Amino acid sequence: AQKITQTQPGMFVQEKEAVTLDCTYDTSDQSYGLFWYKQPSSGEMIFLIYQGSYDEQNATEGRYSLNFQKARKSANLVISASQLGDSAMYFCAMREARSGTYKYIFGTGTRLKVLA
Amino acid sequence: DTAVSQTPKYLVTQMGNDKSIKCEQNLGHDTMYWYKQDSKKFLKIMFSYNNKELIINETVPNRFSPKSPDKAHLNLHINSLELGDSAVYFCASSLYQNYGYTFGSGTRLTVV
Repeated sequence: AQKITQTQPGMFVQEKEAVTLDCTYDTSDQSYGLFWYKQPSSGEMIFLIYQGSYDEQNATEGRYSLNFQKARKSANLVISASQLGDSAMYFCAMREARSGTYKYIFGTGTRLKVLA
Repeated sequence: DTAVSQTPKYLVTQMGNDKSIKCEQNLGHDTMYWYKQDSKKFLKIMFSYNNKELIINETVPNRFSPKSPDKAHLNLHINSLELGDSAVYFCASSLYQNYGYTFGSGTRLTVV
């Protein structure tokens, strides 16, 4: 079963507008972590934001915020005031614990294109 | 100053060859990982080491052998390369197992 689901393979957004990238997850763990990474065309993976399952507040990092809805098992990334440099692949990931170790599962990614 | 460095960045080789990818981190992190990103951009964990000890070994052909001489290094050796091994391989590290990753810049392996 897919643990991390990103249903939007590609999205467009106009420069300076906000955009929401969807992520739903599936876990029976009580303690888990959710992450978003950005992969520009140059290929590197850049950590954006983290949300712990016990965190009461939604995480924010500059223009990035994570809309965490635990009951719905969703962890959507919101990018405000989009910039051309935000054009990239975005991956949602979940940390889960198995047999005393932690493993990260990645979604299939959403390609975001910011239009001038 | 590079936090997680991988070499080489590009690797083109013929089927059947043996090759290695090296990874070093200078962040003092305890845990290091190898991930494979396929042509559809899907990232899948291959191996994880914590303080030189193998802790995750996913279903990976035994042609792939990781080696961690110390906690700052995690190398990946691949024997008898096949066309399907073509992918981008990412090394990553984290302070503890449950922290976020710092990724290397990736190694694009092309098997011809």
